[in-house]
Amino acid sequence: EPEVTQTPSHQVTQMGQEVILRCVPISNHLYFYWYRQILGQKVEFLVSFYNNEISEKSEIFDDQFSVERPDGSNFTLKIRSTKLEDSAMYFCASSTGGENQPQHFGDGTRLSIL
Amino acid sequence: AQTVTQSQPEMSVQEAETVTLSCTYDTSESDYYLFWYKQPPSRQMILVIRQEAYKQQNATENRFSVNFQKAAKSFSLKISDSQLGDAAMYFCAYRSWYNNNDMRFGAGTRLTVKP
Repeated sequence: EPEVTQTPSHQVTQMGQEVILRCVPISNHLYFYWYRQILGQKVEFLVSFYNNEISEKSEIFDDQFSVERPDGSNFTLKIRSTKLEDSAMYFCASSTGGENQPQHFGDGTRLSIL
Repeated sequence: AQTVTQSQPEMSVQEAETVTLSCTYDTSESDYYLFWYKQPPSRQMILVIRQEAYKQQNATENRFSVNFQKAAKSFSLKISDSQLGDAAMYFCAYRSWYNNNDMRFGAGTRLTVKP
Protein backbone atom coordinates (compact mmCIF):
# COMPACT_ATOMS: atom_id res chain seq x y z
CA GLU A 1 0.00 0.00 0.00
CA PRO A 2 1.36 3.45 -0.87
CA GLU A 3 2.74 5.44 2.05
CA VAL A 4 3.68 8.98 2.89
CA THR A 5 7.39 9.04 3.65
CA GLN A 6 9.25 11.62 5.70
CA THR A 7 12.94 12.30 6.07
CA PRO A 8 14.86 12.54 8.26
CA SER A 9 13.28 10.61 11.12
CA HIS A 10 15.18 12.77 13.62
CA GLN A 11 16.71 16.19 13.06
CA VAL A 12 18.84 17.97 15.62
CA THR A 13 19.50 21.65 14.94
CA GLN A 14 21.02 24.58 16.76
CA MET A 15 18.65 27.39 17.71
CA GLY A 16 18.58 30.07 15.06
CA GLN A 17 19.48 27.71 12.24
CA GLU A 18 17.28 26.95 9.29
CA VAL A 19 15.82 23.47 8.94
CA ILE A 20 14.01 21.76 6.08
CA LEU A 21 11.77 18.79 6.70
CA ARG A 22 11.00 16.64 3.71
CA CYS A 23 7.98 14.63 2.74
CA VAL A 24 7.05 12.50 -0.23
CA PRO A 25 3.26 12.29 -0.40
CA ILE A 26 1.37 9.45 -2.03
CA SER A 27 1.79 9.90 -5.76
CA ASN A 28 -1.80 10.49 -6.87
CA HIS A 29 -2.67 12.75 -3.96
CA LEU A 30 -3.32 16.42 -4.56
CA TYR A 31 -3.67 17.89 -1.08
CA PHE A 32 -0.78 18.12 1.33
CA TYR A 33 -0.57 19.02 4.99
CA TRP A 34 1.82 19.61 7.83
CA TYR A 35 0.97 19.02 11.48
CA ARG A 36 2.96 19.50 14.64
CA GLN A 37 2.87 17.55 17.88
CA ILE A 38 4.80 18.98 20.83
CA LEU A 39 5.82 16.19 23.18
CA GLY A 40 2.89 15.09 25.29
CA GLN A 41 0.45 17.45 23.59
CA LYS A 42 -2.13 17.22 20.86
CA VAL A 43 -1.52 17.14 17.15
CA GLU A 44 -1.93 20.65 15.73
CA PHE A 45 -2.66 21.70 12.18
CA LEU A 46 -0.04 23.94 10.59
CA VAL A 47 -0.82 24.32 6.91
CA SER A 48 -2.53 22.82 3.89
CA PHE A 49 -1.31 23.08 0.31
CA TYR A 50 -3.06 22.55 -3.00
CA ASN A 51 -2.32 23.49 -6.59
CA ASN A 52 1.05 24.92 -5.63
CA GLU A 53 -0.23 27.33 -3.06
CA ILE A 54 -1.21 27.44 0.57
CA SER A 55 -4.91 26.73 1.04
CA GLU A 56 -5.09 27.39 4.73
CA LYS A 57 -2.74 27.97 7.62
CA SER A 58 -3.09 28.15 11.37
CA GLU A 59 -1.91 30.85 13.73
CA ILE A 60 1.13 28.69 14.47
CA PHE A 61 2.30 29.00 10.87
CA ASP A 62 3.95 32.40 11.10
CA ASP A 63 6.54 34.06 8.90
CA GLN A 64 9.24 31.68 10.13
CA PHE A 65 7.53 28.84 8.31
CA SER A 66 7.22 28.18 4.62
CA VAL A 67 6.21 25.24 2.46
CA GLU A 68 7.19 24.30 -1.03
CA ARG A 69 6.62 21.61 -3.58
CA PRO A 70 9.88 21.98 -5.49
CA ASP A 71 9.23 19.12 -7.90
CA GLY A 72 6.52 16.61 -8.65
CA SER A 73 7.15 14.45 -5.62
CA ASN A 74 8.56 16.33 -2.63
CA PHE A 75 6.71 18.58 -0.20
CA THR A 76 8.90 20.48 2.23
CA LEU A 77 8.46 22.47 5.40
CA LYS A 78 11.12 25.08 6.12
CA ILE A 79 11.64 26.80 9.44
CA ARG A 80 13.79 29.84 8.83
CA SER A 81 15.26 30.56 12.22
CA THR A 82 14.44 27.84 14.67
CA LYS A 83 13.45 28.48 18.27
CA LEU A 84 13.52 26.12 21.23
CA GLU A 85 9.74 25.90 21.15
CA ASP A 86 9.86 24.50 17.61
CA SER A 87 11.00 21.20 19.09
CA ALA A 88 8.25 18.75 18.22
CA MET A 89 7.19 15.89 15.99
CA TYR A 90 6.22 17.15 12.56
CA PHE A 91 3.81 15.06 10.53
CA CYS A 92 3.20 15.32 6.83
CA ALA A 93 -0.09 14.08 5.42
CA SER A 94 -1.68 13.84 2.01
CA SER A 95 -5.08 13.08 0.55
CA THR A 96 -6.81 12.87 -2.78
CA GLY A 97 -8.97 15.72 -1.60
CA GLY A 98 -12.24 13.98 -2.22
CA GLU A 99 -14.88 14.86 0.30
CA ASN A 100 -14.85 11.54 2.06
CA GLN A 101 -11.18 10.76 1.69
CA PRO A 102 -9.05 10.66 4.83
CA GLN A 103 -5.59 12.05 5.18
CA HIS A 104 -2.71 9.61 5.16
CA PHE A 105 0.08 10.44 7.56
CA GLY A 106 3.80 9.86 7.41
CA ASP A 107 5.89 8.53 10.29
CA GLY A 108 6.86 12.01 11.36
CA THR A 109 10.15 13.81 11.87
CA ARG A 110 11.30 14.50 15.38
CA LEU A 111 12.86 17.96 15.46
CA SER A 112 15.07 18.78 18.40
CA ILE A 113 16.30 22.34 18.80
CA LEU A 114 19.35 22.82 21.00
CA ALA B 1 -14.10 27.04 15.87
CA GLN B 2 -14.36 23.34 16.23
CA THR B 3 -12.82 21.70 19.28
CA VAL B 4 -12.27 18.06 20.08
CA THR B 5 -12.05 16.79 23.64
CA GLN B 6 -10.71 13.47 24.84
CA SER B 7 -11.25 13.38 28.57
CA GLN B 8 -9.28 10.20 29.24
CA PRO B 9 -5.51 10.80 29.08
CA GLU B 10 -4.87 7.12 29.82
CA MET B 11 -6.86 3.92 29.64
CA SER B 12 -5.98 0.35 30.40
CA VAL B 13 -7.59 -2.90 29.27
CA GLN B 14 -6.93 -6.57 29.79
CA GLU B 15 -6.07 -8.53 26.69
CA ALA B 16 -9.22 -9.98 25.05
CA GLU B 17 -11.45 -7.55 26.91
CA THR B 18 -13.36 -4.57 25.52
CA VAL B 19 -12.50 -0.93 26.07
CA THR B 20 -14.24 2.29 25.08
CA LEU B 21 -12.41 5.54 24.43
CA SER B 22 -14.40 8.75 24.71
CA CYS B 23 -14.45 11.75 22.43
CA THR B 24 -16.68 14.79 22.35
CA TYR B 25 -16.56 17.70 19.98
CA ASP B 26 -18.04 21.10 19.57
CA THR B 27 -19.26 22.42 16.24
CA SER B 28 -21.98 24.51 14.72
CA GLU B 29 -21.79 22.65 11.43
CA SER B 30 -24.31 19.98 10.48
CA ASP B 31 -22.09 18.03 8.13
CA TYR B 32 -18.62 16.83 8.99
CA TYR B 33 -16.37 13.80 9.33
CA LEU B 34 -15.01 12.17 12.43
CA PHE B 35 -11.97 9.94 12.63
CA TRP B 36 -10.04 7.85 15.07
CA TYR B 37 -6.31 7.63 14.45
CA LYS B 38 -3.89 5.28 16.17
CA GLN B 39 -0.33 6.30 16.89
CA PRO B 40 1.75 3.31 18.05
CA PRO B 41 5.25 3.77 19.47
CA SER B 42 6.55 3.54 15.91
CA ARG B 43 5.03 7.06 15.58
CA GLN B 44 3.07 6.57 12.38
CA MET B 45 -0.48 7.86 12.50
CA ILE B 46 -2.80 5.15 11.26
CA LEU B 47 -6.44 5.66 10.37
CA VAL B 48 -8.57 3.29 12.43
CA ILE B 49 -12.10 4.25 11.51
CA ARG B 50 -14.13 7.15 10.14
CA GLN B 51 -17.71 8.29 10.33
CA GLU B 52 -19.66 10.68 8.13
CA ALA B 53 -22.01 12.79 10.24
CA TYR B 54 -24.91 12.35 7.84
CA LYS B 55 -24.85 8.59 8.35
CA GLN B 56 -26.91 7.37 11.26
CA GLN B 57 -25.36 3.92 11.22
CA ASN B 58 -22.30 3.55 13.39
CA ALA B 59 -19.13 2.69 11.50
CA THR B 60 -17.52 -0.67 12.14
CA GLU B 61 -14.13 -1.95 11.11
CA ASN B 62 -13.40 -5.47 12.34
CA ARG B 63 -12.82 -5.21 16.12
CA PHE B 64 -13.25 -1.44 16.08
CA SER B 65 -16.61 0.26 16.20
CA VAL B 66 -17.90 3.67 17.11
CA ASN B 67 -20.87 4.97 19.03
CA PHE B 68 -21.78 8.17 17.21
CA GLN B 69 -24.29 10.34 19.02
CA LYS B 70 -24.75 13.41 16.83
CA ALA B 71 -27.11 15.28 19.14
CA ALA B 72 -24.75 14.78 22.06
CA LYS B 73 -21.70 15.47 19.86
CA SER B 74 -20.09 12.30 21.07
CA PHE B 75 -17.95 9.86 19.12
CA SER B 76 -16.58 7.02 21.21
CA LEU B 77 -14.38 4.19 19.97
CA LYS B 78 -14.95 0.64 21.14
CA ILE B 79 -12.19 -1.91 20.78
CA SER B 80 -13.36 -5.47 21.21
CA ASP B 81 -11.16 -8.47 21.97
CA SER B 82 -8.22 -6.15 22.72
CA GLN B 83 -4.83 -7.30 21.51
CA LEU B 84 -1.35 -6.36 22.67
CA GLY B 85 -0.82 -4.64 19.33
CA ASP B 86 -3.67 -2.25 20.10
CA ALA B 87 -1.47 -0.46 22.64
CA ALA B 88 -0.97 3.06 21.32
CA MET B 89 -2.07 6.68 21.52
CA TYR B 90 -5.51 7.14 20.03
CA PHE B 91 -6.55 10.47 18.61
CA CYS B 92 -10.06 11.54 17.80
CA ALA B 93 -10.26 14.03 14.93
CA TYR B 94 -12.86 16.28 13.35
CA ARG B 95 -12.93 17.54 9.81
CA SER B 96 -15.40 19.96 8.35
CA TRP B 97 -17.48 18.91 5.37
CA TYR B 98 -17.06 22.37 3.93
CA ASN B 99 -13.34 22.71 4.48
CA ASN B 100 -11.28 19.62 3.79
CA ASN B 101 -8.09 21.42 4.68
CA ASP B 102 -8.36 21.67 8.40
CA MET B 103 -8.51 18.75 10.75
CA ARG B 104 -8.77 19.20 14.51
CA PHE B 105 -7.40 16.60 16.89
CA GLY B 106 -8.14 15.75 20.48
CA ALA B 107 -5.34 15.53 23.02
CA GLY B 108 -5.16 11.77 22.71
CA THR B 109 -5.74 8.77 24.96
CA ARG B 110 -2.89 6.43 25.74
CA LEU B 111 -4.17 2.86 25.73
CA THR B 112 -2.27 0.15 27.58
CA VAL B 113 -3.13 -3.49 26.98
CA LYS B 114 -2.24 -5.87 29.79
CA PRO B 115 -1.43 -9.50 28.99
